[in-house]
Amino acid sequence: AQSVTQLDSQVPVFEEAPVELRCNYSSSVSVYLFWYVQYPNQGLQLLLKYLSGSTLVESINGFEAEFNKSQTSFHLRKPSVHISDTAEYFCAVSEDTGKLIFGQGTTLQVKP
Amino acid sequence: NAGVTQTPKFRVLKTGQSMTLLCAQDMNHEYMYWYRQDPGMGLRLIHYSVGEGTTAKGEVPDGYNVSRLKKQNFLLGLESAAPSQTSVYFCATSWGTSQPQHFGDGTRLSIL
Repeated sequence: AQSVTQLDSQVPVFEEAPVELRCNYSSSVSVYLFWYVQYPNQGLQLLLKYLSGSTLVESINGFEAEFNKSQTSFHLRKPSVHISDTAEYFCAVSEDTGKLIFGQGTTLQVKP
Repeated sequence: NAGVTQTPKFRVLKTGQSMTLLCAQDMNHEYMYWYRQDPGMGLRLIHYSVGEGTTAKGEVPDGYNVSRLKKQNFLLGLESAAPSQTSVYFCATSWGTSQPQHFGDGTRLSIL
């Protein structure tokens, strides 16, 4: 069965510092991978996705994630965070069934 | 263009009461999903639908029922509410199995 593990429940970081949010998954077949962001009292918004092709995917607001099949990881990175990046981030995996399996979430706290 | 609309946004119920949560979408998506979000547990799939007239169980279906009589609507019912069902409920939609899901803003449900 699929599972997704986000290794850090909270990540505090100072503004303009780099950040990495870690995500590992378990699956025996090809997968699709997603990162979603949730701001307070809102629904989830798609941040970026890996479906196929280049293993490095980027979002429009400076985040990037790299699919590593051998390590079954899909870590999210940003070289310089802003206060506005404070939110909860969810990693999710799908095995072409249409169902998403989510990780437990990582709260990114950006401090001034 | 509203996207995914959930009603109501907030509700307080007493144990044993029943209610229905409505999800409406205007994106013509085939797939619709109901999740619950609880602290530290990410999102867990309750039920989902791959098209009008179809429903299927997700990870945590007990105590819930669903219906998809029209393509644009997906209803989640609680026949006899229990305190363990206190949660934030999210509806999501997608084009297909490998496509990202689009989320509503959620329904906060408290059961006393």
